Amino acid sequence: GQQVMQIPQYQHVQEGEDFTTYCNSSTTLSNIQWYKQRPGGHPVFLIQLVKSGEVKKQKRLTFQFGEAKKNSSLHITATQTTDVGTYFCAGPGGSNYKLTFGKGTLLTVNP
Amino acid sequence: DAGVIQSPRHEVTEMGQEVTLRCKPISGHDYLFWYRQTMMRGLELLIYFNNNVPIDDSGMPEDRFSAKMPNASFSTLKIQPSEPRDSAVYFCASSFGREIEAFFGQGTRLTVV
Repeated sequence: GQQVMQIPQYQHVQEGEDFTTYCNSSTTLSNIQWYKQRPGGHPVFLIQLVKSGEVKKQKRLTFQFGEAKKNSSLHITATQTTDVGTYFCAGPGGSNYKLTFGKGTLLTVNP
Repeated sequence: DAGVIQSPRHEVTEMGQEVTLRCKPISGHDYLFWYRQTMMRGLELLIYFNNNVPIDDSGMPEDRFSAKMPNASFSTLKIQPSEPRDSAVYFCASSFGREIEAFFGQGTRLTVV
């Protein structure tokens, strides 16, 4: 079945440093979604990428979808303590459409 | 809209007992998903419904788990009998359309002792 892998599993940064998490799928994706989960909270949708090579920005967050539509990345510029949380990528796959989540990257930010 | 509503928020039960988790999706959403989250396995899709019909239940771990959606505004996930390894956070999510953003509920933290 479809697998979605994310690296790194954990990332600790000093406030102001940049952060990147990478997502790789075993199959080509029709789209990829990114979610953020704060500690003790629930996943919250951030963005969806659909086109090959697509790049989208949300303030300090930059999302990219690979040309082959099998990988994606999320880059945060100049992290802040409010960025703390786990970032998940998720992609639909299989004949029955199953939104499969990666294991996530836990970001901690030292003020 | 109040968002996806799950109840209870926390559940502690003894091994062997029946547990029922409840979910009210966002009005108008036609897809409903049940996920389980653990440290070891991350977010796992258990089952999802489209227009109240179960589409894929291949993620349901075993026959002890069952899910129903009797109408567009209510779904249940039942575990009978419960076991300690079922301890996890269970999320319900809904979406309007198949490959559109999913809105998650606050989750039910289940502890089976």
